[in-house]
Parts: sequence; structure tokens; C-alpha cells
Amino acid sequence: NAGVTQTPKFQVLKTGQSMTLQCAQDMNHEYMSWYRQDPGMGLRLIHYSVGAGITDQGEVPNGYNVSRSTTEDFPLRLLSAAPSQTSVYFCASSLGSPGNTIYFGEGSWLTVV
Amino acid sequence: AQRVTQPEKLLSVFKGAPVELKCNYSYSGSPELFWYVQYSRQRLQLLLRHISRESIKGFTADLNKGETSFHLKKPFAQEEDSAMYYCALSTSGTYKYIFGTGTRLKVLA
Repeated sequence: NAGVTQTPKFQVLKTGQSMTLQCAQDMNHEYMSWYRQDPGMGLRLIHYSVGAGITDQGEVPNGYNVSRSTTEDFPLRLLSAAPSQTSVYFCASSLGSPGNTIYFGEGSWLTVV
Repeated sequence: AQRVTQPEKLLSVFKGAPVELKCNYSYSGSPELFWYVQYSRQRLQLLLRHISRESIKGFTADLNKGETSFHLKKPFAQEEDSAMYYCALSTSGTYKYIFGTGTRLKVLA
């Protein structure tokens, strides 16, 4: 099993550009989520999904879109990048019951200039 | 609102000294609590969860519902314990996991 795979690992964007962070898992996990990690702020939930076709907002959803067309994939779209979105992004997945272990991807370092 | 508080951003201890990383939570329901660790240049990974009541790499954590705490402890710190530690809360019925702001542990030789 590859676990949770994120691409790209590093990306530099110009303000106003759009891009998609890809996330895939091969563990047949129902729950998938995106977090951003900022110094002093810890991990903050952006969006999450409890199954194909079902998504919901987390703590900091503004400026981001998600979709879940398959169980395996959960892409995160930045609609119009802003410097405030410079961060490290983590995708995570777990079995679809509350309280299960979360498995994280390696992270995507995004810089918006 | 649910919240996880880790009051220390940085904790430095000498090798062989005891370690306690503090975690307090705010949640009116029955919590599921976890400690996740991020070693340098590695992905976040589960260290332990309260429901398992196990010791991993010498670390233990006890859920104290009266004090709403889930502190992480180790009697003798090792240099390889240096990492970022996150306390996390899973709330029943919502599938959301709420993380604290993290504590960086530095174990000095």
C-alpha cells in the first residue's frame, strides 16, 4: 500500500493563479480531509469528506474547493491564490468511523508570491 | 465549541530527564483523544490513542475527564524523541478531528 499520496510536493504560485493539490489513498478509507499547517497555528481543517459525493467545510474553507467523485481521490483546488494561502498542506484519510487513526500524506509546500 | 489547547510551543529537556507535554481539551461529549508526532522530514503519524491505553516508545498518556486533560509523559527522554507533537480530539458523530497548535520537543544531549 502506498497509503496517502499527495502531489505536488512543492509549488510556487503567483497571486491570482489557480491550482489543484492532488490527494489519493489506496486504503479504501471513507474519510478524507485537508489541513493546512502554519507556524503557531497548528493544523487547521480546510475541508473534509465522509464518502464519495459528500463534502463539508472545516475551520478555514474560504478560498478552497473540494470534490469527491471517487473513494480514492480528494483534490483541493485553490481558486485564486493569495499570499495568505502560503502554507504546508496535508491530506489525510481514515476509516469512516469517528475515532479511527488518521493517516497523513507527506505534505505539499505551497508558496504564493 | 470543541477546542484542544497545548500551552507550550517549545519544550526543551535534557536527555534522561522526564518529559510531560500538556494537552487540555474542551468538549461536552465523550472524547476520543490522540497524540500525533512529526519527526523531522517525516509525515505526521499516530503515536498513541487514549482508548488503547498502551505505551509507545516509552510514552504514555492518561485521559483525565475531570481536568479535561490528556498529557503525554515519558520518564526518560531520548534525543530521538525530538519532534513536533500534536494532541488531537475526535468528536463523536461528526468525523472531525481537531488538533492543537503543537509542541516542539527538543531533547538536549
